[in-house]
Amino acid sequence: NAGVTQTPKFQVLKTGQSMTLQCAQDMNHNSMYWYRQDPGMGLRLIYYSASEGTTDKGEVPNGYNVSRLNKREFSLRLESAAPSQTSVYFCASSEVAQTGVGGYTFGSGTRLTVV
Amino acid sequence: AQSVTQLGSHVSVSEGALVLLRCNYSSSVPPYLFWYVQYPNQGLQLLLKYTSAATLVKGINGFEAEFKKSETSFHLTKPSAHMSDAAEYFCAVRSDTGRRALTFGSGTRLQVQP
Repeated sequence: NAGVTQTPKFQVLKTGQSMTLQCAQDMNHNSMYWYRQDPGMGLRLIYYSASEGTTDKGEVPNGYNVSRLNKREFSLRLESAAPSQTSVYFCASSEVAQTGVGGYTFGSGTRLTVV
Repeated sequence: AQSVTQLGSHVSVSEGALVLLRCNYSSSVPPYLFWYVQYPNQGLQLLLKYTSAATLVKGINGFEAEFKKSETSFHLTKPSAHMSDAAEYFCAVRSDTGRRALTFGSGTRLQVQP
């Protein structure tokens, strides 16, 4: 099925460990995004990539890095995990048209716990 | 910069009653507005979106929303709640210039009582 695939679905890390969250889309979308979801705060943008080869910071980029590996894949890396990074992480992709607005498709999320 | 405010973090209605979830936005340019639904332990599913074609937007599962520029609002309604509507609902805005990512409200959890 076409869509956005995130791996892993669940992860427990110890403080200071590193890990990479993977995201891939097969809709040929140009733009990709990483959000984190915390209770009562909605989804907040961590990083986004408007097109292959470009990345920009969102609202809450501290403690994260990203890589737009190719048009399909956009990974999020935690270099030294902290308990404050315990959250549910969502990847999304979209096609930004010259006029109007394309659809945004979300992955099913990665539930990360840092102990 | 755009922002979204959702009034009421929790809303409870009886089955068959009107559902009204409130969303107000702030945007320096005409916005694109969205409502998403999230069922427990799932991702986000698009309910409907406003893209300036019509002020009353119909979505899936019987939901609709009306764009009111004078009130900077985009409230979500459904005439008759169903038990299956219990979920969290997010309003989001995307500006047509600059960053094209969605900015989300804090969400409203809808409970439907039998």
